[in-house]
Amino acid sequence: GENVEQHPSTLSVQEGDSAVIKCTYSDSASNYFPWYKQELGKRPQLIIDIRSNVGEKKDQRIAVTLNKTAKHFSLHITETQPEDSAVYFCAASTESNYQLIWGAGTKLIIKP
Amino acid sequence: EPEVTQTPSHQVTQMGQEVILRCVPISNHLYFYWYRQILGQKVEFLVSFYNNEISEKSEIFDDQFSVERPDGSNFTLKIRSTKLEDSAMYFCASSDSKQFFGPGTRLTVL
Repeated sequence: GENVEQHPSTLSVQEGDSAVIKCTYSDSASNYFPWYKQELGKRPQLIIDIRSNVGEKKDQRIAVTLNKTAKHFSLHITETQPEDSAVYFCAASTESNYQLIWGAGTKLIIKP
Repeated sequence: EPEVTQTPSHQVTQMGQEVILRCVPISNHLYFYWYRQILGQKVEFLVSFYNNEISEKSEIFDDQFSVERPDGSNFTLKIRSTKLEDSAMYFCASSDSKQFFGPGTRLTVL
């Protein structure tokens, strides 16, 4: 079955700098890759997603890149702000309505 | 903006007791899910439900678990005989093409 690896487990960056979180997946049939942000004690919130027919997608300060050949995808956050502090999870699925297989999460800390 | 809702927010139960967790998915969504998250760990898929039947389930979703859509709005997860290791946050989600999560029910089994 699918396995998703996520790195790093913790990432500390200075406010205003960029943050990059990386995930790899094992199942070449996966073609939907969402990213969720989870603040402490809250629900996972979908922040961006990408499908395998697209290599990159951007939404304001957030971008996701996908390399299907290498089976990895990354989340890029530019001009980080204190409110970006949270745990970020990547996930993979063969279809967006099918089960999501999750990475272990990255705790992002924005230092003032 | 419509959201998935869940009740209760926190459920405490004794080991061996049955619990029912309730969810109201977003009204025009057709796919429903249960996930769980043990404190500090990754989110784990339990089961998905479409067209009034289970479409996928994980190894975690054994005979102690069941799901039901008893009416047009509710989606429930029943755990028949709770174990200590069932203590976790249980999230319901619904999807039209993207999965949106409810606020979760924190289940504590004593």
